Amino acid sequence: DIQMTQSPSSLYASVGDRVTITCRASQGIRNDLGWYQQKPGKVPKRLISVASNLESGVPSRFSGSRSETEFTLTISSLQPEDFATYYCLQYNSYPLTFGGGTKVGIK
Amino acid sequence: QVQLQESGPGLVKPSETLSLTCAVSGYSINTGYYWDWIRQSPGEGLEWIGCFHPGGTTYYNPSLNSRVTISFDTSKNEFSLRLTSVTAADTAIYYCARRGGHDSVDYWGQGTLVSVSS
Repeated sequence: DIQMTQSPSSLYASVGDRVTITCRASQGIRNDLGWYQQKPGKVPKRLISVASNLESGVPSRFSGSRSETEFTLTISSLQPEDFATYYCLQYNSYPLTFGGGTKVGIK
Repeated sequence: QVQLQESGPGLVKPSETLSLTCAVSGYSINTGYYWDWIRQSPGEGLEWIGCFHPGGTTYYNPSLNSRVTISFDTSKNEFSLRLTSVTAADTAIYYCARRGGHDSVDYWGQGTLVSVSS
């Protein structure tokens, strides 16, 4: 199985802060990675697919990038509605695997 | 607009079988895409359970030790999950979802909470 190591597991930031979340794959997965946002009691919402493709309707403050097996989700200027838990998902090979999640809280 | 809706018992006894159905509207499951089951234990992360493709392939998470079966009924445009010999560790919100070939999940059902308890 491909392990997705997501860090940090939680972070606390202020509105306007730049936030970076990382997922490291245990082996190469090309660009086969998506990022999701989940708010309490809600369904995960896709933000980014294929490592860096922004989903239609998602604010441009969200961006994704890749360096080898390390993937990064960046929120350039954190907004109040961005406080949530974020997950990465690799779909390169079966079984699909999620990162452990990053909870973004209010400082 | 693609919509998925899970249905099934909210309570299952230990050692029994969990059965859920996902009704799909707005898209024919027989046309393409992968159709996934994913679960989330209370307060925990996401776990992929398995999927099928109408071309005939089915994949399961080995962590579930062959307890899982996913089937589909194209006449009803729905697919199902069967998980045998459940324990309390199987208590979770179960989601059905759609995923493109070499793409991530784009549509999710609302999820259904299944509790395993006597």
